[in-house]
Amino acid sequence: GAVVSQHPSRVICKSGTSVKIECRSLDFQATTMFWYRQFPKQSLMLMATSNEGSKATYEQGVEKDKFLINHASLTLSTLTVTSAHPEDSSFYICSATPSSGVETQYFGPGTRLLVL
Amino acid sequence: GENVEQHPSTLSVQEGDSAVIKCTYSDSASNYFPWYKQELGKGPQLIIDIRSNVGEKKDQRIAVTLNKTAKHFSLHITETQPEDSAVYFCAASGARTSYDKVIFGPGTSLSVIP
Repeated sequence: GAVVSQHPSRVICKSGTSVKIECRSLDFQATTMFWYRQFPKQSLMLMATSNEGSKATYEQGVEKDKFLINHASLTLSTLTVTSAHPEDSSFYICSATPSSGVETQYFGPGTRLLVL
Repeated sequence: GENVEQHPSTLSVQEGDSAVIKCTYSDSASNYFPWYKQELGKGPQLIIDIRSNVGEKKDQRIAVTLNKTAKHFSLHITETQPEDSAVYFCAASGARTSYDKVIFGPGTSLSVIP
């Protein structure tokens, strides 16, 4: 149980285009999902906290107009990287916390974004 | 806010030996401490966690200890195997609600030499 999926697993896009990444909790409902970014050989950096039915909470330094987050249901959150630039190339990972529990975060497999 | 430090950054051990990774945290209100294993190109996988009302927890070859007074916790892997090679992250959270942030340490790259 507690499986989180992400789609796509990797994406290559041209500079200036937008990319949408989906995060789904497959066998549980998640009131809260988190979006992280990870650069090579670095730790996970929290970008934003996504709560179902409300606006996401962004970490300091993360542009909310550039990284659009939508959490429309208890099993789906999306991250849209708008007007992507090469410096946005990174590994994006989501996690979800079951609505029934308050602690454990289960992570998705990540999405590798390369902006040319 | 919470700050989590982790040592060492890299660790090489011979197969069969033990590996120990140590972490410290700054926020005394943190009460939930998960450990994640991340293999190359994959998302982190929860391997064990401990809550502040427990001093030690063990799951087969993996154990975690917590010293709340000193604000440090450690991961112990015994009888290491090559498949244990990965990056390990410790983390800390207040875990009062489902939207409490989990703050990660910088990671330890573990190599188990056959």
